[in-house]
Amino acid sequence: EVQLVESGGGLVQPGESLRLSCAASGFTSSDHFMDWVRQAPGKGLEWVGRTKHKPSNYVTQYAASLRGRFTISRDNSKNSMYLQMSSLKVEDTALYYCAAFLEGVPYWGQGTLVTVSS
Amino acid sequence: EIVLTQSPGTLSLSPGERATLSCRASQSVSDGYLAWYQQKPGQTPRNLIHDVSSRASGIPDRFSGTGSGTDFTLTISRLEPEDSAVYYCHLYGDSPGTFGQGTKVEIK
Repeated sequence: EVQLVESGGGLVQPGESLRLSCAASGFTSSDHFMDWVRQAPGKGLEWVGRTKHKPSNYVTQYAASLRGRFTISRDNSKNSMYLQMSSLKVEDTALYYCAAFLEGVPYWGQGTLVTVSS
Repeated sequence: EIVLTQSPGTLSLSPGERATLSCRASQSVSDGYLAWYQQKPGQTPRNLIHDVSSRASGIPDRFSGTGSGTDFTLTISRLEPEDSAVYYCHLYGDSPGTFGQGTKVEIK
């Protein structure tokens, strides 16, 4: 069974950093595109970024508005993906989801909540 | 980057009616990786349709997806009260991902 479990969310102050993790099971994550998606309270879904699969050399792509502050990486030995967030702003407060795409089928985790507040 | 525009913003219909939700892309979508999600308050988005027209596992056949190029449609053939939710389209192919802004479906 495909499962994605996010962790690492919490309450941080503006300007701080945070790293989110996405642990995959039931499939080999390095074989598939994986994305981060976020949803601010009461708002729509926003694509954050992606790491492509091994055949694409794990190329990363980011939403233009977030480029430079957010970095996506993988640890294939742990079948995991990470989102390193720096210089966090109040407007980064959101539920952060990881998603994987297996043969065209999207799978999502349950999300981890990040709150940026002083 | 491709922008997805959904219409209408809100759809208010009665049970048994047909709902037609539109998702228009700013450029042609060539690889066919277009999905639709249903999201109810406090819940994770639920995948309804992937690859433009393939129903996800366990999704009733009253949900259907069609389209190509820049125009895509989610149709709910006979609305039921539990279909009240926000619906999002999502592009997830080789190009950077993007979501539409959502269509809220209200059941009268």
